[in-house]
Amino acid sequence: KNEVEQSPQNLTAQEGEFITINCSYSVGISALHWLQQHPGGGIVSLFMLSSGKKKHGRLIATINIQEKHSSLHITASHPRDSAVYICPNSGGGADGLTFGKGTHLIIQP
Amino acid sequence: EAEVAQSPRYKITEKSQAVAFWCDPISGHATLYWYRQILGQGPELLVQFQDESVVDDSQLPKDRFSAERLKGVDSTLKIQPAELGDSAMYLCASSLWSSGNTIYFGEGSWLTVV
Repeated sequence: KNEVEQSPQNLTAQEGEFITINCSYSVGISALHWLQQHPGGGIVSLFMLSSGKKKHGRLIATINIQEKHSSLHITASHPRDSAVYICPNSGGGADGLTFGKGTHLIIQP
Repeated sequence: EAEVAQSPRYKITEKSQAVAFWCDPISGHATLYWYRQILGQGPELLVQFQDESVVDDSQLPKDRFSAERLKGVDSTLKIQPAELGDSAMYLCASSLWSSGNTIYFGEGSWLTVV
């Protein structure tokens, strides 16, 4: 069974801090996504990874396929980064995404 | 920028009534997903379409839920009769093909059953 675990579940930090959110999964996957969900809002796709590292603005995502682990980093965090970050993956024999519970991030000014 | 369109954005309905949600995926996207997200939890897949065909509906409560994508473009998710436990956000998403492609999500449709 494909299980996704994220850590931390909740994170509060000060504006400007470097943020790291971790994601572990239990089966071989074809791709892992990092998504951002604002309170009451829809979901924005930040990255899709199958290997290596991707960077977009202040966001960096890495994945280690062998270790079944991915990280999302936010540099120079800002209050507008406050959201739930989710790392679903597609694998375990299914095409649909398997979601974890997400990481609730709050950046205080 | 192309986006996944969903409507209605918010819906309040009484228990036992019928409710329907509509989704228009990004043009050219063959794969369409319907997810349900209960407050405080991650989304769960209800149904996945590849063009007009259902690929996975194993988690769809078929006694009351139905989904269709007749022409392989837009899709409708229906609940009849609605129950209190159906209160959730219903998210539609699409991608070019399944797995290995970026998935784009709509804003979601919030359902409250009273």
